[in-house]
Amino acid sequence: EAGVAQSPRYKIIEKRQSVAFWCNPISGHATLYWYQQILGQGPKLLIQFQNNGVVDDSQLPKDRFSAERLKGVDSTLKIQPAKLEDSAVYLCASSSLLGAGANVLTFGAGSRLTVL
Amino acid sequence: GENVEQHPSTLSVQEGDSAVIKCTYSDSASNYFPWYKQELGKRPQLIIDIRSNVGEKKDQRIAVTLNKTAKHFSLHITETQPEDSAVYFCATWGGGFKTIFGAGTRLFVKA
Repeated sequence: EAGVAQSPRYKIIEKRQSVAFWCNPISGHATLYWYQQILGQGPKLLIQFQNNGVVDDSQLPKDRFSAERLKGVDSTLKIQPAKLEDSAVYLCASSSLLGAGANVLTFGAGSRLTVL
Repeated sequence: GENVEQHPSTLSVQEGDSAVIKCTYSDSASNYFPWYKQELGKRPQLIIDIRSNVGEKKDQRIAVTLNKTAKHFSLHITETQPEDSAVYFCATWGGGFKTIFGAGTRLFVKA
């Protein structure tokens, strides 16, 4: 099966500029996640979608970050305006709940953001 | 909120030795415990997982143990090889329907 596609792979911007990342999950996966991974840390969940509805966005800095998943397939994550501390890898993942009590995530290659 | 603590943050072993990474969690509703391996510059990939109704699971050189009463679980890698060098993340999933990751353990296997 095709994997999780993300673009762009790398992006360098100045602070206060805006940036958008795109993700195409594995076909048929209902759940889509955006994680932020700062260098040397574990992935931190920003937002989780089930189809095109938001399940959890409690850790999304809503004053500058937004995300949408139109039609329950592709998703975009936007940052506007960017801050230096937003420098990180933004990982998209998708999953299809496998029976009871299991949730295997498949990650994309990530989008590395550098804010100068 | 949910929290997953992982130790140690860095682990260095000699090739052929065993490596153990431990995690504790706070959410008693957690019922699925995956482990992901992330090689340098690559995406995290699932290497083994365990469900709450199982105490131990083994897959070749890797094994995971779970103690639900104590809320901790561990990854065991035996006969380590240089290609095991990577960052390992434990995670939990359960009541909140979201996967929470530990901070990661950087494993170095010296040849």
